Amino acid sequence: QKEVEQDPGPLSVPEGAIVSLNCTYSNSAFQYFMWYRQYSRKGPELLMYTYSSGNKEDGRFTAQVDKSSKYISLFIRDSQPSDSATYLCAMSITGTYKYIFGTGTRLKVLA
Amino acid sequence: EAGVTQFPSHSVIEKGQTVTLRCDPISGHDNLYWYRRVMGKEIKFLLHFVKESKQDESGMPNNRFLAERTGGTYSTLKVQPAELEDSGVYFCASSHLTGNNSPLHFGNGTRLTVT
Repeated sequence: QKEVEQDPGPLSVPEGAIVSLNCTYSNSAFQYFMWYRQYSRKGPELLMYTYSSGNKEDGRFTAQVDKSSKYISLFIRDSQPSDSATYLCAMSITGTYKYIFGTGTRLKVLA
Repeated sequence: EAGVTQFPSHSVIEKGQTVTLRCDPISGHDNLYWYRRVMGKEIKFLLHFVKESKQDESGMPNNRFLAERTGGTYSTLKVQPAELEDSGVYFCASSHLTGNNSPLHFGNGTRLTVT
């Protein structure tokens, strides 16, 4: 069993929709949770970086962490065609830099 | 501020040949990491430098891979001799803070194809 599970998609939504992207994990030692966006032929770009359970908002993006359920989410409001990309969740244990990534979810926002 | 720069962006080599990938981290970032994504799999950690010292190389697949960071600035990752299963995208990342987790900033990767 993988430490981090992420639905690969693809996920297609109409422009303006609310998008929900999710990851589950098995290692309760994970303390830091990240969401990256990756466009084709580019590197992962950091979107959100959270430490505690709860919600963190940045513009149209909200990251949610539920440590009791070992479940994290990324919500995108008012989705735009420019949001079409692969979204990667990543996690790490306190004090280490070794990120464990999900496989990524491909998102397509249709104009 | 310039981001993490990787060179080349794409490399095609034959099995048995040698390839060297280069990474220039963000200026001032002491921490440098190599990750790899092989086809259909998730991005996986290879190793971590703090300045010129290897802190953790537990993700290196085997002794055909050699990473260096002389002078604590740019890093190279050499694969010698390359095998077919080494094909994938090699990402470099860097971060600033030490002693705590801080988010990694990734380069665009080097796409390696071994034929």
